[in-house]
Amino acid sequence: GQNIDQPTEMTATEGAIVQINCTYQTSGFNGLFWYQQHAGEAPTFLSYNVLDGLEEKGRFSSFLSRSKGYSYLLLKELQMKDSASYLCAVSQDSNYQLIWGAGTKLIIKP
Amino acid sequence: DVKVTQSSRYLVKRTGEKVFLECVQDMDHENMFWYRQDPGLGLRLIYFSYDVKMKEKGDIPEGYSVSREKKERFSLILESASTNQTSMYLCASRTPGTPFSGNTIYFGEGSWLTVV
Repeated sequence: GQNIDQPTEMTATEGAIVQINCTYQTSGFNGLFWYQQHAGEAPTFLSYNVLDGLEEKGRFSSFLSRSKGYSYLLLKELQMKDSASYLCAVSQDSNYQLIWGAGTKLIIKP
Repeated sequence: DVKVTQSSRYLVKRTGEKVFLECVQDMDHENMFWYRQDPGLGLRLIYFSYDVKMKEKGDIPEGYSVSREKKERFSLILESASTNQTSMYLCASRTPGTPFSGNTIYFGEGSWLTVV
C-alpha cells in the first residue's frame, strides 16, 4: 500500500530548533515536497527534494534519504509565526500525482 | 503574482441541495485539482483535470462531479449534498513538469462547507 507518516503534533520553544520527520512507502518516487499551512489558510510551498541530501533555504532545511524512505524538515531559530501545520507529500512516477501525509501541527511556545 | 481563487470561503447548505464550488487560476496552468481536507486525514484528491474538458477521478470521487469548460476554471459539484461532505475543499493548479523540475502546486484559500 501507499502511506506517508508524520507525527500529529509537536511543540517547540521560540528560538530553538525543531525537526519534523516524514516516512513514506509509495509505488513510485518522483520527489518529496514540504508545505506549510497556517490555520484557515492554503498550503504554501516550502521545499522540494528529489535527490538524497540536504537542501537549505534560510532558516528551513529539508533532507531526503530515498533508500530509507525518509525525509525531515528542519526549522532553526523558531519564531512564533512558524506555528502552523507542515505537510509532507510524495510525487509518484506516473502523472505526478501527489500522496499527502496528514500533516504535523507545530506549536511554538515563548 | 500567482493566484488561485475560490469563489466561496464559507458555505452552509442543506442535505440534498446541489452545491457548486468554483475555482479560477490566472497562471495558464494545464492541471487543476480538487482536494478535501479533514482533520487527521490529510489532503485527499477528489478529481483532477489535465486540460480543458478532461477530467480524471481521484481517490474519493463518489458523490462529486467536476466541470472544466475553460482552462482557467475548474468547478466541483456536489449533486446532492450530505452531512459527510462537510469539510474544507481546496482547489489547486500546476503546470506539468518534467521529473526533477519540482513543479509546484499552488492552492486556493479553501472553501469551508457545512452540510446540515
